[in-house]
Amino acid sequence: EAQVTQNPRYLITVTGKKLTVTCSQNMNHEYMSWYRQDPGLGLRQIYYSMNVEVTDKGDVPEGYKVSRKEKRNFPLILESPSPNQTSLYFCASSSGPNSNQPQHFGDGTRLSIL
Amino acid sequence: GNSVTQMEGPVTLSEEAFLTINCTYTATGYPSLFWYVQYPGEGLQLLLKATKADDKGSNKGFEATYRKETTSFHLEKGSVQVSDSAVYFCALNDYKLSFGAGTTVTVRA
Repeated sequence: EAQVTQNPRYLITVTGKKLTVTCSQNMNHEYMSWYRQDPGLGLRQIYYSMNVEVTDKGDVPEGYKVSRKEKRNFPLILESPSPNQTSLYFCASSSGPNSNQPQHFGDGTRLSIL
Repeated sequence: GNSVTQMEGPVTLSEEAFLTINCTYTATGYPSLFWYVQYPGEGLQLLLKATKADDKGSNKGFEATYRKETTSFHLEKGSVQVSDSAVYFCALNDYKLSFGAGTTVTVRA
């Protein structure tokens, strides 16, 4: 089954404690991205990756890092989380950034930073 | 830059009522337009899409027409069901996805 898998689904942690949210897709997609969803703001892109070893900033990259060492994986790293990063996070993938390609989304990771 | 504006919710309807969610966009290029749906506790799923002006996307009884002259992509369904309760997002893709704020729809039996 084609899917994007994120882990963990839920995490409560404290300010400053490094955390990683993993994302894996099994569709051989080249394009992957991370979004955060906040009430009234819709989804905002954090980082994206056009292919292995190619990453770039989205609209709200501050406080986040990503890596793309393998095609299927695109982890999101919060090196020193702060309460304003409390949010619902989604990983997505598609066959390319072409405008007519829909993105496939994971089920989301709810992060609470205390 | 590109942006999407959709009607604010929440929207509450009775079963079999007509649903319209307005969406307008601003874009410099020729984007594709999408509606995504998010059911409780789940990620976003593609509901329908249109890739050029005057295209009509349709799926599960929902429809939306890409109107370049009014820069709109309004979502409609003629007779909603309780199972249509979800958050609906309008989005445009011009080599980067831009989302509206989302509209929460609740359908009561």
